[in-house]
Amino acid sequence: GEEVAQTPKHLVRGEGQKAKLYCAPIKGHSYVFWYQQVLKNEFKFLISFQNENVFDETGMPKERFSAKCLPNSPCSLEIQATKLEDSAVYFCASSQGDSPLEKAFFGQGTRLTVV
Amino acid sequence: AQSVTQLGSHVSVSEGALVLLRCNYSSSVPPYLFWYVQYPNQGLQLLLKYTSAATLVKGINGFEAEFKKSETSFHLTKPSAHMSDAAEYFCAVRGTTSGSRLTFGEGTQLTVNP
Repeated sequence: GEEVAQTPKHLVRGEGQKAKLYCAPIKGHSYVFWYQQVLKNEFKFLISFQNENVFDETGMPKERFSAKCLPNSPCSLEIQATKLEDSAVYFCASSQGDSPLEKAFFGQGTRLTVV
Repeated sequence: AQSVTQLGSHVSVSEGALVLLRCNYSSSVPPYLFWYVQYPNQGLQLLLKYTSAATLVKGINGFEAEFKKSETSFHLTKPSAHMSDAAEYFCAVRGTTSGSRLTFGEGTQLTVNP
């Protein structure tokens, strides 16, 4: 369908625990993007994939954050040893092709709360 | 590097009044510019995009934006605000290379008063 599906909607983790977020892009879309939104503004780009290959990871924190997009599986974003500052809404987006004019479809986000 | 700046983190208008949300861009090449809207607890929805085909771009829900190269601006307007327009609005720029990311402004919260 025409919807990027993100799960779970809400995730609460104690500081130091692992968090794993999932994103199912729209079928047929080649590009997947992850963004972090802190405090209802400031969308920060994290990483993008072209199919299962990392396309741009310049926004990914070097430590603790990792992401994958494997064939026939939802994409995932994993945070090892979460910190309070990781509390944010994480959005996934997908687009069909590689044109910069391609519309990016956004999921509804996963709200991560680290306590 | 490309960037956008949104002037005014909060804008408040009366129902029926003109909506003007400001966005200025910084880019060394002709940019691809977008306006997105975010309703509470929702993802982003595309309002409109500038593709260089026309400087005045019409989007959904009665919104439009005008690209002004001389002012490096891409302000969003709507002639008459509706209560349902209350939301967060984000201006964004995208690089011209394949698969490039969106870079967002800080967002403008629009409040519509009855």
